[in-house]
Amino acid sequence: EAQVTQNPRYLITVTGKKLTVTCSQNMNHEYMSWYRQDPGLGLRQIYYSMNVEVTDKGDVPEGYKVSRKEKRNFPLILESPSPNQTSLYFCASSHPRRGGGEQYFGPGTRLTVT
Amino acid sequence: AQSVTQLDSHVSVSEGTPVLLRCNYSSSYSPSLFWYVQHPNKGLQLLLKYTSAATLVKGINGFEAEFKKSETSFHLTKPSAHMSDAAEYFCVVIIISNFGNEKLTFGTGTRLTIIP
Repeated sequence: EAQVTQNPRYLITVTGKKLTVTCSQNMNHEYMSWYRQDPGLGLRQIYYSMNVEVTDKGDVPEGYKVSRKEKRNFPLILESPSPNQTSLYFCASSHPRRGGGEQYFGPGTRLTVT
Repeated sequence: AQSVTQLDSHVSVSEGTPVLLRCNYSSSYSPSLFWYVQHPNKGLQLLLKYTSAATLVKGINGFEAEFKKSETSFHLTKPSAHMSDAAEYFCVVIIISNFGNEKLTFGTGTRLTIIP
């Protein structure tokens, strides 16, 4: 089954404790992206990657890191989480040249930083 | 610059009555426009997309949307609401650059409630 998977689905952590949210897709998509969803703000892009070893900042990159060492994986790293990073996070992937912009979303990771 | 405005943060309709979710967009380029749906505690699912072909676009579950360039609108409609339509709906404008970057801009969402 074609899908985007994220782990963990739920995470409660404390300020300053480094964490990683994994994202993996099995559709051989070149493009991957991370979003955060906050009430009343819709989804905002954090980082995106157009291919292996090619990443760039989205609209709200502060406090986040990413890496793209393999085509299928695109982990999101919070080196020192803070309470304002409490949010619902979505990973997405697409094939820009074939997909016409349609992105496939993972199920989401709900992060709480206390 | 591009943006989308969803004109209603919350819409309530009775089961069996029509649904209208409004979206206006702003884009310097010829846009691609999407509607995504998010059911409670679920990820986002593509409902339909407009990519400069037919201006009336049909999607899943009986939804459709009409692209109106003169009004810069892309409203989502359904003739008869079903209880399973209760969800949050996002209008999205996408620009694909010459370098292949997909810049998505999401609206703030419209929560649709269906009254039995």
